[in-house]
This record gives sequence, C-alpha cells and structure tokens, in this order.
Amino acid sequence: DTGVSQNPRHKITKRGQNVTFRCDPISEHNRLYWYRQTLGQGPEFLTYFQNEAQLEKSRLLSDRFSAERPKGSFSTLEIQRTEQGDSAMYLCASSPRTGMTDTQYFGPGTRLTVL
Amino acid sequence: AQKITQTQPGMFVQEKEAVTLDCTYDTSDQSYGLFWYKQPSSGEMIFLIYQGSYDEQNATEGRYSLNFQKARKSANLVISASQLGDSAMYFCAMREGEGAQKLVFGQGTRLTINP
Repeated sequence: DTGVSQNPRHKITKRGQNVTFRCDPISEHNRLYWYRQTLGQGPEFLTYFQNEAQLEKSRLLSDRFSAERPKGSFSTLEIQRTEQGDSAMYLCASSPRTGMTDTQYFGPGTRLTVL
Repeated sequence: AQKITQTQPGMFVQEKEAVTLDCTYDTSDQSYGLFWYKQPSSGEMIFLIYQGSYDEQNATEGRYSLNFQKARKSANLVISASQLGDSAMYFCAMREGEGAQKLVFGQGTRLTINP
C-alpha cells in the first residue's frame, strides 16, 4: 500500500486569503482524520470522517474551517480568511476497516504559514 | 488535567544503549488504547506500537516494547539497541473510550542518539 498523501506540502499565504488542503488516505481505509500541530506541541484533533460522513468535530474547528470527504475517498480541509494563528502543520491520517482498526496512519502533513 | 503527560522534554542517549521514554495517562474509562508515534524532522508521524487497555501482555514490535503498568497508568516506550536513526520526537497518545476515534497526544520527547 502507498501511504497517506497530502498536498501541498507547504503553503505560504497572506492573512485573509483562503487556502485548501487535500488528503488522499491509504486505499480502502474508511476512516479519515485531520489534526493540527503547532510548534513544540503534539497534534490536536480537528475532525474525522467515516466514509463520507463527518462524525466528529473539535471545537477547535471554528466556522472558518470546513472539511469534506464527498465520495468517501480523498478529503479537503479549507480555511477561509486565514489568520496568523492558523500557521501550523495540518496532518491527515487514515485507519482501516479491518485488522488494526484502532491505528491511525499519518501523512507527511501540510505546513501552513500565514504572513 | 492533562490526559497524556510526557515529563521528559529531551533525552540524550549513546548509540546501542537502551532508552525508556516515559508516558503517564489519565482516564476513567475502562476501554482505551495507547499509542506511540515517532516524528522525524521531516514531519511525518510514524506509528510504532499499540497497547489496548485489556491486553494482558506488553506489546512488542521489533526493537520497540511498551511497558504497560495499568495500576500506575503508565505506558513507557522502551527502545532497545538504539540507532542514530532513532533521533526524533516521540509522542505518546491515547484513544479514550469504547468507539472513540480521536487521539489525544502528549507534548512529546525529543530523543537524540549520540554516536
């Protein structure tokens, strides 16, 4: 299996702009997760999907953030009107429907810098 | 209260020595899972090892073992015969509760292996 892929790997934007990140999970993984990691901290949960259904959202996910997984495969995370506080690494993970179902496998992340 | 506590911000170890990275957790749930991830400077979170709360034996994966002491609520990671490539950030994480999906991470320990 190829691993989780995320694009772009790096994004630099100006405050107030909108950005969108894409995550492609491991093939056949039905659950997909988004986390945010700021410098010197562990990742913090943002949201998760089972197939195309978004089943849980953290209160960290303000109304400027929206995530979709329209066909139950890839997912997008959009941030509208970016703020400097949004600068972070955005990590995507997926987990399988059988076998090690508890284990989340992470992608390389998208590093966002808001100027 | 912190759900996951990693008290060692940094550890320095000589190559080929064993190293123990500490992790304590806080939960009132009977069903939970504990994970260790490695994060090299490239940023990707690499899954190392998993321990379920009902598992009676300590988990092992190659040079990694998890010293699970349920009564003390600790889940220390032991790396045997350390290698230069083990230098990275290490995160302990917990999935709390039956059916829960999100992982809660500690703040991490930066491990440096000296030649």
